[in-house]
Amino acid sequence: GAVVSQHPSWVICKSGTSVKIECRSLDFQATTMFWYRQFPKQSLMLMATSNEGSKATYEQGVEKDKFLINHASLTLSTLTVTSAHPEDSSFYICSATPGFIGNTEAFFGQGTRLTVV
Amino acid sequence: AQSVSQHNHHVILSEAASLELGCNYSYGGTVNLFWYVQYPGQHLQLLLKYFSGDPLVKGIKGFEAEFIKSKFSFNLRKPSVQWSDTAEYFCAVNARHSGNTPLVFGKGTRLSVIA
Repeated sequence: GAVVSQHPSWVICKSGTSVKIECRSLDFQATTMFWYRQFPKQSLMLMATSNEGSKATYEQGVEKDKFLINHASLTLSTLTVTSAHPEDSSFYICSATPGFIGNTEAFFGQGTRLTVV
Repeated sequence: AQSVSQHNHHVILSEAASLELGCNYSYGGTVNLFWYVQYPGQHLQLLLKYFSGDPLVKGIKGFEAEFIKSKFSFNLRKPSVQWSDTAEYFCAVNARHSGNTPLVFGKGTRLSVIA
């Protein structure tokens, strides 16, 4: 199947610094990618929809100035957590779907565990 | 808005026992339905999916799920679990229309299979 690669797998950063997470579709192009966040023992919650060549669409309650999304090419979306704080510690997962029709499988990156100390 | 409810937070079974994990969704339109599995430290992997047609869907590793439209349910089943099935299981839906639509996930069910 299609492969989505996420980097880094885990990162520890100091409070106040910024962290960039990359999501790449390795063998297909994705005009749309999704970023999810998973808190311990909870479900994946959609944070934002990343659109190639245009602004991301954020879900209610997600600060767009804190979670900067850039989708500069058809195979790469980045999520930058700016001025990270301990409450931003979480598991971040991206997904992408090959093709333009909604009835296809989404492929997920391996996730990034962010710990802010 | 869509929502997904998974009834069991943690299920503990002995090997060879039968498994059924409940999933109900709420949405006014037509949906696609999915079950994903997440083994410790690994990606989410698709177990099976339902788009249309036969409501009994067979997936990988001996799993199956049945879509019952009248009950808004998509329960996951396996007749005989193995220790290697220990993982987190997520039910998910998205709206069926053209273009990519994000998935809405249930809270997940942790399955522990003991020898």
